[in-house]
Amino acid sequence: DAKTTQPPSMDCAEGRAANLPCNHSTISGNEYVYWYRQIHSQGPQYIIHGLKNNETNEMASLIITEDRKSSTLILPHATLRDTAVYYCIVRVESNAGNMLTFGGGTRLMVKP
Amino acid sequence: KAGVTQTPRYLIKTRGQQVTLSCSPISGHRSVSWYQQTPGQGLQFLFEYFSETQRNKGNFPGRFSGRQFSNSRSEMNVSTLELGDSALYLCASSFQGGSPYNEQFFGPGTRLTVL
Repeated sequence: DAKTTQPPSMDCAEGRAANLPCNHSTISGNEYVYWYRQIHSQGPQYIIHGLKNNETNEMASLIITEDRKSSTLILPHATLRDTAVYYCIVRVESNAGNMLTFGGGTRLMVKP
Repeated sequence: KAGVTQTPRYLIKTRGQQVTLSCSPISGHRSVSWYQQTPGQGLQFLFEYFSETQRNKGNFPGRFSGRQFSNSRSEMNVSTLELGDSALYLCASSFQGGSPYNEQFFGPGTRLTVL
C-alpha cells in the first residue's frame, strides 16, 4: 500500500470548515483513499473513502486531485466533537484481506 | 444493530503471565482484525481472521496469537507478557473481505496494563 503524509496537527475554529490534507504521491491506480478518525479513548471510526472522484457523505467531503497524488478531507462545519486524530490510509481493495496501515495521522483541535 | 464489543475493557497483568482478549463482531460480519495501539508505535495491525482462518498477519512475535470461532467471535492471546505489551488492543469487524465498500467497524478496545 502507498505511504501517506499528513501534518501532525491542525487547529480549526468551531463552525468553520476544517480542511485536512494528505499526500500520497506513490498511489497506484487501484488504490483507494480512506479516512478514519479516532476520538480520544475510542476505536477509530470510518469517515469516507474514494478512488478518483470527489465523494460526499453526511460526515464529510473527500476531494482527490486529478493526478490522485493528494487529497483533502473537508469537515464543512467543524464542531468541538470533531476534535480527534484523523488518519488518511491508502490501500488496494482485494479479497486478500482488510489490513489497514495507519500512519501518524493529523490531530485536529477544534476551538470555540 | 449492536456494535463491536470487546471484553474485558480493562485488564492488569504482571510480566510473564498470559492474557486472552475477546471480540464479538457485528452480527453478520465475517472478518475480524486486531490492532495494537501504543503511544510510541501508534496503531499497528496484528492479524485478521476470516471464516475461522487467519488471512493476514502483521509483524508481531509468535507470543501473539488469535483464533476465530464459527460464530465469527474472535479471541487473541498474548503469552509471556512483557512490559512493552501494555497497550490498547482494538478489534475491527467488516462484512466481508476486500470489497471496495468494506468499511471496518472498530470496538472500544481493551486497555491492557502489564506491571
